[in-house]
Amino acid sequence: TQLLEQSPQFLSIQEGENLTVYCNSSSVFSSLQWYRQEPGEGPVLLVTVVTGGEVKKLKRLTFQFGDARKDSSLHITAAQPGDTGLYLCAGVDNNNDMRFGAGTRLTVKP
Amino acid sequence: DTGVSQDPRHKITKRGQNVTFRCDPISEHNRLYWYRQTLGQGPEFLTYFQNEAQLEKSRLLSDRFSAERPKGSFSTLEIQRTEQGDSAMYLCASTVWGGDEQYFGPGTRLTVT
Repeated sequence: TQLLEQSPQFLSIQEGENLTVYCNSSSVFSSLQWYRQEPGEGPVLLVTVVTGGEVKKLKRLTFQFGDARKDSSLHITAAQPGDTGLYLCAGVDNNNDMRFGAGTRLTVKP
Repeated sequence: DTGVSQDPRHKITKRGQNVTFRCDPISEHNRLYWYRQTLGQGPEFLTYFQNEAQLEKSRLLSDRFSAERPKGSFSTLEIQRTEQGDSAMYLCASTVWGGDEQYFGPGTRLTVT
């Protein structure tokens, strides 16, 4: 059982569409990270959110941390083929242990 | 320093052989982590070091696995008597003490035939 549940598991959309992916848990995290991973490579850190209710924007990507610090969402506006990849969320618990979700595999078709 | 590096990038070995992977973290990072990732899953924590001290090991880390970080810089992960179930991507990450943001290397993909 994953500590962090990510949904959807797979998402295939056309270029220019908007999308939201989710990361949910029953545990509270001191911080939560989002990573993007391409095939054959390690995850690349996109953002860290720390405060409940926090919203961070990174160009066309908007990250939100839930008020209770148990969940997060990633919204992409006007998706591009270069956004294709595996999006992973990872939570740091009060023991300072980081645990990953299984990821959402996004494919953006031109 | 260009980031975390891992060597080799790919390793194919026969069942029963021993393999060793190396990770060089970002130079000022004193925490180093090892993860394993199988297809369709996120990285699973194996172990981590604070400088040269191994502070935590996952129950996933069987007796056939051993990790070292002798001088608090690079680390090695050895798998003895490899099994087909060991086939996975082995990822290394580093961070500063107290930091939540881990920076990953490109991984070593192990295939056990």
